[in-house]
Amino acid sequence: AQKVTQAQTEISVVEKEDVTLDCVYETRDTTYYLFWYKQPPSGELVFLIRRNSFDEQNEISGRYSWNFQKSTSSFNFTITASQVVDSAVYFCALFGVPITQGGSEKLVFGKGTKLTVNP
Amino acid sequence: DAGITQSPRHKVTETGTPVTLRCHQTENHRYMYWYRQDPGHGLRLIHYSYGVKDTDKGEVSDGYSVSRSKTEDFLLTLESATSSQTSVYFCAISVGTGGNSPLHFGNGTRLTVT
Repeated sequence: AQKVTQAQTEISVVEKEDVTLDCVYETRDTTYYLFWYKQPPSGELVFLIRRNSFDEQNEISGRYSWNFQKSTSSFNFTITASQVVDSAVYFCALFGVPITQGGSEKLVFGKGTKLTVNP
Repeated sequence: DAGITQSPRHKVTETGTPVTLRCHQTENHRYMYWYRQDPGHGLRLIHYSYGVKDTDKGEVSDGYSVSRSKTEDFLLTLESATSSQTSVYFCAISVGTGGNSPLHFGNGTRLTVT
């Protein structure tokens, strides 16, 4: 079974603080993909990043960075110098690739972390 | 913009009535999905489609059916709506070859069952 745990339900920070959103996953598949999505207060869901299980390099995109560690089954997301516009619910998601053909297409989402950045 | 339109955007209906939500895409993608979003549950997959007339169940498919008679349209039907189906429903398309590709989501349909 696949599972994604985002233990932080809500986080509140003050602008310019750094903040890390935790994501821990479980899968028995050797090939899998991890994702982060953002849902701002307006409600739309926006794709942020995808990582496959064979690429453990960290990624940085502006103020955003992602730390993928297979040893701890974690794919954490850090926002540096947070801004009010970063306020959103952030979802981590996992897609495992079954070894056998005909495996189902099940992207599993965590329950999300609501980040509030206060001015 | 991945060209996804959901309709209606908001709907209020009574328990026991059938409801159909529509998802329309303009980019001819093969994979389409229906998710529901509820507080404390995140996003959960209801049904998905991997081609015309090819659909499969997700983790919360009870009480829902889908149809895909054309590439561009994916319909979600609540046969007999219940209050537990009050939720925000999101349609999504995979821009690649399935669940290993990023999803692009529609703007959601807020459904209230009274």
